[in-house]
This record gives sequence, C-alpha cells and structure tokens, in this order.
Amino acid sequence: SSELTQDPAVSVALGQTVRITCQGDSLRSYYASWYQQKPGQAPVLVIYGKNNRPSGIPDRFSGSSSGNTASLTITGAQAEDEADYYCNSRDSSGKHWVFGGGTKLTVL
Amino acid sequence: QITLKESGPTLVKPTQTLTLTCTFSGFSLSTSGVGVGWIRQPPGKALEWLALIYWDDDKRYSPSLKSRLTITKDTSKNQVVLTMTNMDPVDTATYYCAHRRSGSIWFLDYWGPGTLVTVSS
Repeated sequence: SSELTQDPAVSVALGQTVRITCQGDSLRSYYASWYQQKPGQAPVLVIYGKNNRPSGIPDRFSGSSSGNTASLTITGAQAEDEADYYCNSRDSSGKHWVFGGGTKLTVL
Repeated sequence: QITLKESGPTLVKPTQTLTLTCTFSGFSLSTSGVGVGWIRQPPGKALEWLALIYWDDDKRYSPSLKSRLTITKDTSKNQVVLTMTNMDPVDTATYYCAHRRSGSIWFLDYWGPGTLVTVSS
C-alpha cells in the first residue's frame, strides 16, 4: 500500500470545480507534485511546489496543502481534464519517493 | 527541448534480468541537482517509483525493490541504465524514465513515452 492516499474516483460536472486530495504524513514536511495521465499516455506534470504550474498547463489547475493533505483543484473542469491524477512526494523517511494510488476523474 | 526515451526488451522470461536504457537530450546529467528517475506502471494500476540517480552519482532505490535494482549513468552518452534482476510476471509493466529538475523541490517535469515490458515464459 502507498504512503500517499488518494480517493480512487471523483466526478465533476462540466464547468464546475473539483478538488482531488492526497493524504500522507510526509506531506507535513514536503510538497506534493501532481501528474495527469490520459489513457495510453505518459504522465504530465501539472502542479509542483507550493502552487506552481509548468508552462502550458492551464491556470484552472491549482495546488494547495494543509497539514497532511495536499490538494489539486480544477476550477471550471473541462472535458479534456478527464484523466487519472497522481500525487507524488517523499516517503516518511524523506529519502525516497512515492506515488499515491491515483484518482480517476470523470467529467460529466 | 528536453526529451527522454526508454528502450529495452519487450518480453523477458521469469528469473531473467531486465536491462532498460533511458536515452535523453536537452540537458546534461553532469549539471548540479539534475537527476533521472525510473517509474513503472502495471497495466491498469498506479505509478510506482523505482529509482533515481543524481548528477553526482547519488543513487536512490525503492526500499521494496532495492535488492533487485541497479541504476547507472553514462554522462558522455546521455544515458541512464536500470537493471532489475529475477524478473517475475508481476513485474509486467510500462517502464518510464523521467527528468528531475535541479532545485530544492522534487518533481519530474519531463517523461519518456514509456516502454511496455512483459514477463512471461
């Protein structure tokens, strides 16, 4: 089992806001990064650090953190946002890295 | 422009050793702080971090797989090689390599397309 816990599935109506969460003790000390993965494709970095978006990632994607929980928020979800989302951070030792189990986002 | 690409066998037999090569361009693995990592994903399952090698040859391995993994780099060839011993059908997965940007925050900003490795007799 992963040291980072994500809800397996989340759904959102088109144009609405959705929050995808990632829980783990290491998140009290380290930032999470977030990756979007569409079927048959490699993961794509969407959020890193406190709340940074790589070039080309729409500003409807944002990140936040509180306590042991990191969150990825999509404000005004689009059909193309339907994908699996993974969080990633250090493990409890701080020496290695782990991924969350992933959240499948469905846009209704 | 940073690109990475994985290469290696698509089929290995149980107990064999898997050798995968990540060939990259657009950055140097001799630049301070830079790293290249390996991640895998069994069909229909989650991503799993395997290993990472830094510019200074510091190597990190997943604790659960450490005994089976070896990561090395050839800076002159812009390649990183991952070997995994004693392959088993549960190791069937798409294997990705990815670039770790230098800096205090850890993330993987560029990924290769991945290579599917099937373990079967």
